[in-house]
Amino acid sequence: QQQVKQSPQSLIVQKGGISIINCAYENTAFDYFPWYQQFPGKGPALLIAIRPDVSEKKEGRFTISFNKSAKQFSLHIMDSQPGDSATYFCAARPYSSASKIIFGSGTRLSIRP
Amino acid sequence: NAGVTQTPKFQVLKTGQSMTLQCAQDMNHNSMYWYRQDPGMGLRLIYYSASEGTTDKGEVPNGYNVSRLNKREFSLRLESAAPSQTSVYFCASSAKYEQYFGPGTRLTVT
Repeated sequence: QQQVKQSPQSLIVQKGGISIINCAYENTAFDYFPWYQQFPGKGPALLIAIRPDVSEKKEGRFTISFNKSAKQFSLHIMDSQPGDSATYFCAARPYSSASKIIFGSGTRLSIRP
Repeated sequence: NAGVTQTPKFQVLKTGQSMTLQCAQDMNHNSMYWYRQDPGMGLRLIYYSASEGTTDKGEVPNGYNVSRLNKREFSLRLESAAPSQTSVYFCASSAKYEQYFGPGTRLTVT
């Protein structure tokens, strides 16, 4: 079973600080790495995504860093705000099954005012 | 444009009862999915349908059945509910990469 491992399980960051969530995958057969954001009582929604041919993608305060050789990718949230408090899931899409994606276990992020 | 809709929003079942969770999407997507979300476990795929007329098992299919009624609708059935099926269930759809999720159904089995 292909897996995506996510850490930490929960994270508390002061307002204005940098939030960092890490993920690692176990084989190289993935071609798309999205991050989803979920607010309480809502379904997850796509936040930002990256392909393995680039090492970094930035959208506003959100950046994905991708290290293909280490099989790791991370989400950085700069200038974290209370409105960023949510659960974040990393994910990966296998080459072998273009329809499916595999999710990490999630990180509950709390931004303290 | 409602996106992905799910009914019901909440449900309480007794052990052994059956029920069907309904999902519909209005984005003309080919692929649809059913996930369950449990604390610390992330989102686990129950079943998916890559296109109308096809369904495949995901990571945790035991105790569930699905029907892809047409391109818009994908239902999840619990034939004999068990307390281990207490969870939040999400339906999603996708065209290629991004998955769009519904608001979820919170199911409690007593």
